[in-house]
Amino acid sequence: DTGVSQDPRHKITKRGQNVTFRCDPISEHNRLYWYRQTLGQGPEFLTYFQNEAQLEKSRLLSDRFSAERPKGSFSTLEIQRTEQGDSAMYLCASSPLPGPTSNTGELFFGEGSRLTVL
Amino acid sequence: GNSVTQMEGPVTLSEEAFLTINCTYTATGYPSLFWYVQYPGEGLQLLLKATKADDKGSNKGFEATYRKETTSFHLEKGSVQVSDSAVYFCALRDTGANSKLTFGKGITLSVRP
Repeated sequence: DTGVSQDPRHKITKRGQNVTFRCDPISEHNRLYWYRQTLGQGPEFLTYFQNEAQLEKSRLLSDRFSAERPKGSFSTLEIQRTEQGDSAMYLCASSPLPGPTSNTGELFFGEGSRLTVL
Repeated sequence: GNSVTQMEGPVTLSEEAFLTINCTYTATGYPSLFWYVQYPGEGLQLLLKATKADDKGSNKGFEATYRKETTSFHLEKGSVQVSDSAVYFCALRDTGANSKLTFGKGITLSVRP
């Protein structure tokens, strides 16, 4: 399967611990996105990369959150000093660069990493 | 800023009933519009899209028409099936260089046999 993969699928941690999620995008996709989804809400944008460059960060992304995409392939999202309010599903998506022959804005999502902070 | 508003849910229908899920948006310029679906235990997947005014997106019997005059992109299906039970999200994509999607809250559809 060559879709977007995320790891781990589930993470339970105690408040104050650090957690890291990994995302492997579709291999030929230049853009990679992180979203957060809480129960009963739609996905909320956190940040996105074009190749290795982080081009935008949401104000939702506090200084405890950091994302990297060091070689323009996989990405990690780290949350330091987790709080109960960080409990959510963290979604990764990828897309090709827009162009005349590529999909117009469609994002391809992974199945998400569910974080529970006790 | 951009926003997407979906009708409140959940929605419960009997099999073969007609479905309409309302979606309206606020955006500057001419965004592209999308419906994504999330089946139980699965990730979000694109259901259909429309990139300009009056375009109609369609897939799996679902349709939605991009109405600029009413800033709407309502999802319809003439005859729903049990297998359509899922969460449906309306979304828009900014114009310009940034290609992130802005999502609505989603609505849960349950179809009874």
